[in-house]
Amino acid sequence: NAGVTQTPKFRVLKTGQSMTLLCAQDMNHEYMYWYRQDPGMGLRLIHYSVGEGTTAKGEVPDGYNVSRLKKQNFLLGLESAAPSQTSVYFCASSFTVPSSPLHFGNGTRLTVT
Amino acid sequence: AQTVTQSQPEMSVQEAETVTLSCTYDTSESDYYLFWYKQPPSRQMILVIRQEAYKQQNATENRFSVNFQKAAKSFSLKISDSQLGDAAMYFCAYNYQGAQKLVFGQGTRLTINP
Repeated sequence: NAGVTQTPKFRVLKTGQSMTLLCAQDMNHEYMYWYRQDPGMGLRLIHYSVGEGTTAKGEVPDGYNVSRLKKQNFLLGLESAAPSQTSVYFCASSFTVPSSPLHFGNGTRLTVT
Repeated sequence: AQTVTQSQPEMSVQEAETVTLSCTYDTSESDYYLFWYKQPPSRQMILVIRQEAYKQQNATENRFSVNFQKAAKSFSLKISDSQLGDAAMYFCAYNYQGAQKLVFGQGTRLTINP
């Protein structure tokens, strides 16, 4: 039982490059989330999904896109990376809201140079 | 707007002592849930404790307990007999019935002094 798995763990991009972060959960959770964590800013929600085939914007969605084609996977894409997107990215999932806690992946540290 | 405020960016405590981390939230909802998460240096986010707003009794998990003051909209975390492994960032979070996403505070960094 792996829980929530994020790949990759680390990545360095040059400005303008694109990449996709993959989040996979094996708990049959409906809700999935992408957060970014920056020093002094806490966790900020980028995008989220309330079920297969759905996505919605969080508080900082600009520059990111997401897809949830399968229930267990939630992809976060950066089409044209910018230095401001240097951050640690966390994926999380939950069975239901609001009572279920979030289960987090181990994070991806992304550096954009 | 729902907001969560952690007014202490950093706290420190001597090993074996007790420390309390503060959290206040702003809401007009009556049915909601509150959480404390721990993030150690490993970066993994771990659920510490959960409180349901409609329950009067404060939640407890071993050395971790909360002081939930619904009228004051306060949800503090008390760590008893602090251990070196308790050193981490602690995040308070809130969600309410009908919402689809958690709102997090900005975190408190806890240092344990040996």
